[in-house]
Amino acid sequence: SYVLTQPPSVSVAPGKTARITCGGNNIGSKSVHWYQQKPGQAPVLVIYYDSDRPSGIPERFSGSNSGNTATLTISRVEAGDEADYYCQVWDSSSDQVVFGGGTKLTVL
Amino acid sequence: EVQLVESGGGLVQPGGSLRLSCSASGFTFSSYAMHWVRQAPGKGLEYVSAISSNGGSTYYADSVKGRFTISRDNSKNTLYLQMSSLRAEDTAVYYCVKVRCSGGSCFFDYWGQGTLVTVSS
Repeated sequence: SYVLTQPPSVSVAPGKTARITCGGNNIGSKSVHWYQQKPGQAPVLVIYYDSDRPSGIPERFSGSNSGNTATLTISRVEAGDEADYYCQVWDSSSDQVVFGGGTKLTVL
Repeated sequence: EVQLVESGGGLVQPGGSLRLSCSASGFTFSSYAMHWVRQAPGKGLEYVSAISSNGGSTYYADSVKGRFTISRDNSKNTLYLQMSSLRAEDTAVYYCVKVRCSGGSCFFDYWGQGTLVTVSS
């Protein structure tokens, strides 16, 4: 089955740029979606189809996908961005959803 | 406004059964496949089960196959997950999720608040 690999944690100072990666075999050929989950809350979609933002998600959130790595980029990081972030793809070969293991973003 | 409200969670003994419900509103429920995703305490997201818009097709993760049954009642805008032969490792928050698919990929655009299932003696 398809595997997505995320770093367990990323730390960034307020106002700086955070980059969270999601690795997978030829992931650039798939569409990657990203979710933000704050403590005690349900996940929220922040990026879909690699780089599209749902309404209400700040422009500070962006995504890219190429080769074997997809990246969620959060610019001008704020304390409120501290959360767990999960990447997700639809594995068409098995017709099922695959989640990455999640990355905890800490704002220093 | 799309709303997904889960209910039915609680404490159950190993080997027991539980039925989760998800009441949907704010969209045409009968037009969308629906899914269940769970999250064990302190762990990541795990895809559990899915059902097509008309209920004719279902999917189960290997970890729950043969023990869980997903169903839906489009007349009541409600999704269900019947869980039996429950194990300690089924302890998790269970989320009802609406899916959106296009161009060969699907993602979850709306999530319920989740309902906690605890399997313990």
